[in-house]
Amino acid sequence: DIQLTQSPSTLSASVGDRVTITCRASQSINTWLAWYQQKPGKAPKLLIYKASNLEIGVPSRFSGSGSGTEFTLTINTLQPDDSATYYCQQFSTYPRTFGQGTKVDIK
Amino acid sequence: EVQLVESGGPLVQPGGSLRLSCAASGFSFSNFGMNWVRQAPGKGLEWVSFISRSSSPIYYADSVKGRFTISRDNAKNSLYLQMSNLSVEDTAIYYCARDRDAFSTSSCPDYWGQGTLVTVSS
Repeated sequence: DIQLTQSPSTLSASVGDRVTITCRASQSINTWLAWYQQKPGKAPKLLIYKASNLEIGVPSRFSGSGSGTEFTLTINTLQPDDSATYYCQQFSTYPRTFGQGTKVDIK
Repeated sequence: EVQLVESGGPLVQPGGSLRLSCAASGFSFSNFGMNWVRQAPGKGLEWVSFISRSSSPIYYADSVKGRFTISRDNAKNSLYLQMSNLSVEDTAIYYCARDRDAFSTSSCPDYWGQGTLVTVSS
């Protein structure tokens, strides 16, 4: 199975900061990676698909990059509403796997 | 508007069985692959199973293989998860989720239901 490792596990940043979350795959997954945002008590929300494609309706301050085994999710100009846990997921092979999550807090 | 509504998650004893349902609306259900994803209390997301639009292929996580069965009824716009030999480790919120791209088995979930809590306890 492909393992996804996210870093950091938690981070605290201020409104207006630029935030970067990394997701590393245990083997190459090309660009078959998605990013999700989850707020407490809510279902996950798709932000980015195929590593760098912004889902319709997602603010442009979110962006994704990477290919192969290393990927990043960047939030430019962090907003209070961005406080959440972020997950990466690979859909290159089955079983589809998720990273362990990165919790983003607003200072 | 795409809607996914899960149901069927009451309290069940270890070793018991349970069937979850997911009612889909607002899109052509028969054109999309579907997933079950679960989340144990306070934990991360765990992908459970995928079923293609025609019910073949089907895939499972190792943790549920042989115990869980995913199925769908395209005429009823419904997705199911039959769970058996349940253990306390299966306690989680179970989400059904639609794959983003129609007619594909290489996609990622975009729309998710609100989830249904399954509690396995004696």
